[in-house]
Amino acid sequence: DAMVIQNPRYQVTQFGKPVTLSCSQTLNHNVMYWYQQKSSQAPKLLFHYYDKDFNNEADTPDNFQSRRPNTSFCFLDIRSPGLGDAAMYLCATGQLNTEAFFGQGTRLTVV
Amino acid sequence: AQTVTQSQPEMSVQEAETVTLSCTYDTSESDYYLFWYKQPPSRQMILVIRQEAYKQQNATENRFSVNFQKAAKSFSLKISDSQLGDAAMYFCAYRSQETSYDKVIFGPGTSLSVIP
Repeated sequence: DAMVIQNPRYQVTQFGKPVTLSCSQTLNHNVMYWYQQKSSQAPKLLFHYYDKDFNNEADTPDNFQSRRPNTSFCFLDIRSPGLGDAAMYLCATGQLNTEAFFGQGTRLTVV
Repeated sequence: AQTVTQSQPEMSVQEAETVTLSCTYDTSESDYYLFWYKQPPSRQMILVIRQEAYKQQNATENRFSVNFQKAAKSFSLKISDSQLGDAAMYFCAYRSQETSYDKVIFGPGTSLSVIP
């Protein structure tokens, strides 16, 4: 039944070691979002895709990249994670005239 | 740019009582959606209720209802007969209806505690 699936649920990475988080969807939605959420804060949009069109938020660090090889999958790449990148990363999907549907998130720890 | 404000960082309610969470937003658009999301300690964001700006009637979903005041740009959530399972972070969110791949913008959230 899961509609937006994020893997892994928990990820530990070393300082400076590239890491990739993945998201897949069974909803066939055009839009996929990546949000960063730190403790007790609102989700902060990093970027989103409409189909293959990539939209980067102006304040998203260059350290964060994304790929969307097809409708179902989207990846978040953190090229050189710093301690400040430790957070929950939320993937969501959407369509015209719908709300955003969220996955369970990946909690990233940087050691 | 659109902004969403929630002025109550924390709220508490007695079980079975009613609580209202506040949200205001700023936009120059006329067509948009407003949402209330719930995020329990397990952290998955769940939609509670949605409101289309062109609809004057306030949305309701069982114990959850909104008071949508478009002119005042206000969108409050009322939870009736509060239950222990309602304890969570509640986020008010905005989405433009004027483009097809617009973003969902969140307010800072209100942490709701339910007292047995």
